[in-house]
Amino acid sequence: EPEVTQTPSHQVTQMGQEVILRCVPISNHLYFYWYRQILGQKVEFLVSFYNNEISEKSEIFDDQFSVERPDGSNFTLKIRSTKLEDSAMYFCASSSGPKHYSNQPQHFGDGTRLSIL
Amino acid sequence: TQLLEQSPQFLSIQEGENLTVYCNSSSVFSSLQWYRQEPGEGPVLLVTVVTGGEVKKLKRLTFQFGDARKDSSLHITAAQTGDTGLYLCAGTDSGTYKYIFGTGTRLKVLA
Repeated sequence: EPEVTQTPSHQVTQMGQEVILRCVPISNHLYFYWYRQILGQKVEFLVSFYNNEISEKSEIFDDQFSVERPDGSNFTLKIRSTKLEDSAMYFCASSSGPKHYSNQPQHFGDGTRLSIL
Repeated sequence: TQLLEQSPQFLSIQEGENLTVYCNSSSVFSSLQWYRQEPGEGPVLLVTVVTGGEVKKLKRLTFQFGDARKDSSLHITAAQTGDTGLYLCAGTDSGTYKYIFGTGTRLKVLA
């Protein structure tokens, strides 16, 4: 069964450094998402992306965050100047239809654990 | 702020017992999903419920969507140790179209 893959599985970065998290969504999916989960807390929506542009973003997704689909397969999340509080699991997800269409659910990757020192 | 509150937050039971996990909100959801998440992995979709009052069964798991589409429940019959994990509900708020996750229920089934 096709799956969403994320790399790296664990990223350790110094505070203030830039980090890029990578995702390969399911190949025929058109909608892409990033979520984060701080240790012990709930999964939080960051951003959704469709047709090469951001379709929705949360309050968490401020100017230090950006997303890109640089080619036909990868979907990346860049954090420009990392802060300690950016430490979390970051999950990528993809779906064939918009999230509010119930029969086109999101499929999640296994996440990247980002540790900011 | 939309909230999906899950209860209980933690649940530890013996193998063979039955349990129910609840997911409640003051908002109406156009659809609701249940996921299971293992440590170090992403959420894995178990089911989607759409229609108010809908009941779906997945082997020993029974999912119900409330009539008003504001709440849902997950019932597990004869729990097994393999059911251990974090159970998450998530859904699309029908007013804002925001997709939000519940607070989670951490289930541990003891042999």
